[in-house]
Amino acid sequence: NAGVTQTPKFRVLKTGQSMTLLCAQDMNHEYMYWYRQDPGMGLRLIHYSVGEGTTAKGEVPDGYNVSRLKKQNFLLGLESAAPSQTSVYFCASRQLAANTGELFFGEGSRLTVL
Amino acid sequence: AQKVTQAQTEISVVEKEDVTLDCVYETRDTTYYLFWYKQPPSGELVFLIRRNSFDEQNEISGRYSWNFQKSTSSFNFTITASQVVDSAVYFCALSFYGQNFVFGPGTRLSVLP
Repeated sequence: NAGVTQTPKFRVLKTGQSMTLLCAQDMNHEYMYWYRQDPGMGLRLIHYSVGEGTTAKGEVPDGYNVSRLKKQNFLLGLESAAPSQTSVYFCASRQLAANTGELFFGEGSRLTVL
Repeated sequence: AQKVTQAQTEISVVEKEDVTLDCVYETRDTTYYLFWYKQPPSGELVFLIRRNSFDEQNEISGRYSWNFQKSTSSFNFTITASQVVDSAVYFCALSFYGQNFVFGPGTRLSVLP
């Protein structure tokens, strides 16, 4: 069972470079999320999607863009990376029918911006 | 505003000791859901438990137990007879019907042999 898969797992960028993180889930979940994890700050929501073709801003959306062209995929883009975006990024999903249910997380993607 | 506080940043115990991780939440909603997640050193986030606001029964699962008290807005997590494999960061989280999660900052538990 793949569950939620994130690629890449590790990436080093220079300031100003762009990149895309891909999240894929095979559980037919409607809701998908991108979080970032920083020491002492828990998980903070960047953007989320409640269905194919829809996205919304979370707590810390600045500097990121997202797209949900297919139900199973949720892409997180950094157009011009900054050192403040050095973090571990987690994708998560959950069912619509169980919209009070738990989040299923990917393994995380560690991004370093020099 | 919704908020989750985990006042204990780091805890160290010796193996076989019992340890309680505190979680205090703030919300004005009457219907909400509380969660605990474990993040071991390998980095993945593992779901442990979900509790809804109408169910104040404590829950026990093996060495793990959870104490939910609405009167004090707390959802504490106790590990009995801790083991080295329990070493991890533990997150408490709050969610609402159809809405997003709010995570606490996490508590790092170190269980020493």
